[in-house]
Amino acid sequence: GAGVSQSPSNKVTEKGKDVELRCDPISGHTALYWYRQSLGQGLEFLIYFQGNSAPDKSGLPSDRFSAERTGGSVSTLTIQRTQQEDSAVYLCASSLAWSGAPTNYGYTFGSGTRLTVV
Amino acid sequence: LAKTTQPISMDSYEGQEVNITCSHNNIATNDYITWYQQFPSQGPRFIIQGYKTKVTNEVASLFIPADRKSSTLSLPRVSLSDTAVYYCLVGDLNNAGNMLTFGGGTRLMVKP
Repeated sequence: GAGVSQSPSNKVTEKGKDVELRCDPISGHTALYWYRQSLGQGLEFLIYFQGNSAPDKSGLPSDRFSAERTGGSVSTLTIQRTQQEDSAVYLCASSLAWSGAPTNYGYTFGSGTRLTVV
Repeated sequence: LAKTTQPISMDSYEGQEVNITCSHNNIATNDYITWYQQFPSQGPRFIIQGYKTKVTNEVASLFIPADRKSSTLSLPRVSLSDTAVYYCLVGDLNNAGNMLTFGGGTRLMVKP
């Protein structure tokens, strides 16, 4: 697609329920990133996929969080047993591998999924 | 990872030039400097990127001194629609893992 697509755009869930957030990256982008942004705060890195390499999970806040990327394309972020502190906007971004040519290499972000845990 | 420091907020008026400086004292040889813009309820958007000296595009200019320990994003003649949060990132583009950290950003408020 023309951009990074995330679904749903908004999700309200009850505390203790599991949620799945979906990201469709730009076709051909080998790298995919998940970030979380709480109201009025900066972006918090969660997880990073690059090609077929093992993902960098160093930003996942707890074992309730997990993510998959199937076929090197679509990614799903799963949050189990949601808590109120999980409420935030979850942003997905994708990028090409850097070709070595300057410049204008950057991430393309989706519009995010606003998760509210009640 | 090169840590970045930016002002938390800045105010300006329509038509003025705005300069936002980012400090990155421990920038590495292979690191590039990238700036993003974020509007409310949207994901960040790539603005400009550079390695040294000056880079200019249709949106902004990026000034990087010879020691590369800081960089300045320059927005010419801002308008109300430039009100946003601006993030400075520093990292090795060959290793995207180094570009993962967004700092707190600079919240720019443009007033009429």
